[in-house]
Amino acid sequence: ILNVEQSPQSLHVQEGDSTNFTCSFPSSNFYALHWYRWETAKSPEALFVMTLNGDEKKKGRISATLNTKEGYSYLYIKGSQPEDSATYLCAFPHGSGNTGKLIFGQGTTLQVKP
Amino acid sequence: ETGVTQSPTHLIKTRGQQVTLRCSSQSGHNTVSWYQQALGQGPQFIFQYYREEENGRGNFPPRFSGLQFPNYSSELNVNALELDDSALYLCASSALIGPSYEQYFGPGTRLTVT
Repeated sequence: ILNVEQSPQSLHVQEGDSTNFTCSFPSSNFYALHWYRWETAKSPEALFVMTLNGDEKKKGRISATLNTKEGYSYLYIKGSQPEDSATYLCAFPHGSGNTGKLIFGQGTTLQVKP
Repeated sequence: ETGVTQSPTHLIKTRGQQVTLRCSSQSGHNTVSWYQQALGQGPQFIFQYYREEENGRGNFPPRFSGLQFPNYSSELNVNALELDDSALYLCASSALIGPSYEQYFGPGTRLTVT
């Protein structure tokens, strides 16, 4: 059974703090690692699709790094704002061929206090 | 917003009944995946449809079935509902199948089974 694990489960920070969380995934048969941001009552929003070892992607104040050899990815948020409050999910595609079946972690819920 | 819509938004059913959930994929997307998110967990892959054919299935019993139509919209059907089927059901569409292709999610249908 493949496991995608995220830590911490939840995080409370003050506005302006920088924060990071971890996604661990199986390091064998790697295709890609997806990060999603999910605000309450909205659709999960794709942040990054990471495919190469050592990859680093950035979107505004949010960035992510990837280590496929050891099976982890970090998501960083610089200078957290209240609007960053959401659940951040990572997902690892699994399955033969190109099914694109995503195995999700349980998510990290971030609460940013003004 | 992603352009992926789901209906209905909320639904209450009784144990043993049958339910149909609907998803309209984003324009130009020919692949639809369905996920179940139970409370406190990440989304779990149910199955995927590509050009009207099932293309990969997760660990769900046969009473979970689906359809994809020529316009690439999709239905998820669940027969003989059980209390544990209470969850948020998400659909996601993508332009091409493949583990590194972004999947765009709808807002979900909240199903409550009593």
